[in-house]
Order: sequence, then structure tokens, then C-alpha cells
Amino acid sequence: GNSVTQMEGPVTLSEEAFLTINCTYTATGYPSLFWYVQYPGEGLQLLLKATKADDKGSNKGFEATYRKETTSFHLEKGSVQVSDSAVYFCALKNGAAGNNRKLIWGLGTSLAVNP
Amino acid sequence: DVKVTQSSRYLVKRTGEKVFLECVQDMDHENMFWYRQDPGLGLRLIYFSYDVKMKEKGDIPEGYSVSREKKERFSLILESASTNQTSMYLCASSSSGASTDTQYFGPGTRLTVL
Repeated sequence: GNSVTQMEGPVTLSEEAFLTINCTYTATGYPSLFWYVQYPGEGLQLLLKATKADDKGSNKGFEATYRKETTSFHLEKGSVQVSDSAVYFCALKNGAAGNNRKLIWGLGTSLAVNP
Repeated sequence: DVKVTQSSRYLVKRTGEKVFLECVQDMDHENMFWYRQDPGLGLRLIYFSYDVKMKEKGDIPEGYSVSREKKERFSLILESASTNQTSMYLCASSSSGASTDTQYFGPGTRLTVL
């Protein structure tokens, strides 16, 4: 079946440090891959997505590349800010009909950025 | 701006009470979802709906039911609340179509059952 595994947190970094949050997946076919972010006290919002192999999603300085050969979608940012402190979720969607309407979620990685 | 609203941000109920959590979206989306979020367990899908009056069980439907009488509104019902249903509840919606569709989330309802 479909599954998503992401690195456990919490991750604690200093401002301007480089960030990587690992995400690997198991799926048949060609799923779409997503990163969502949840800021403190809020619901989730889409950060970026990629829909086919070698696609790079990017937003707010974050990037992730869809690597089919390694079944990975790692999230990176070159220089984090205190305002990036949040929980990050990796997810996949493998189709649009029936039960495939739902997203398959990783457990989330908490990031704390210190000034 | 797309919007998903939930009826309450915080709710406190007593064991055995019937609890209604309401979710409304203004994007004419076909799909709507209810999740609960607990520390260390991530997001777990309770129920989802892909059309009015249609519903599908998610991963943890026990103790919950749902209602979708209108396209924009999706209600989660706890028939008899228990302390182990204390959690953050998140509603989401998405359009039906490509697998690239984004889910849009409400701000969440933090439910405490005493």
C-alpha cells in the first residue's frame, strides 16, 4: 500500500542555518507529493507540491525535488528564520477516484528556529 | 481567498454528551475531510465525503459519525463523547479531479472531554 515516512523531530536550528527534513514514500505508479506546514495555533496549509518525477516544488525559500529513483521528497531551505518554526508534514496522493481522494500523511516534523 | 471555517476553536464537553463539530467551505469543493491530530500520531482521517449525502470511513471512524446535507457543510458527530476523544479536530476540503488537488484546512477545533 501507500505510505510516507518522514524524519522524526523535533529539529532545533539557529537562525540562518540550513534545513533538511527527509521524506520517503512507498507507492505504486506515479503519486503526487506534497509538503504542508502548520504554524502554531493554525490549521495546515500547502507549502509546495510536485506532480511528476524530477519536478521541483518551491515556495517561501523552501524546495523539494521529486526523486523517483530514491522514492524521496526531502524538504530543504538554505537559511531558516525564526518565523519558519512550525510542524512540517509530507504527504502523497495516488489518484483521484474513490479511496484515492485522500492524502497519505507522514507523522510530521516539528522545527524550532532560535534567534 | 479560499476559506474553510470551523464552528469553534475551543470546546469543552462532558463524558457522554453528544457533540457536533461543524465545518463550512466556500470553494464549491466536492471533497471534505475530518481528521484528528494527536501528538506523536500525526493526522488521522476519521471520515471523508465526496458528494452530498455520501460518506466514506477513514482510518479511525469508531465513535464518530458524519453528516453532509449540503455541499458546503460537513459535520462531525461524537454520539457519546469519551475522554479518549480529547483531541484537535481538523476539517479540510478539496476539489474533485486530478491527483494534484490541494487540501485546504480550517483552523481546527480543540476539543476537551472531561
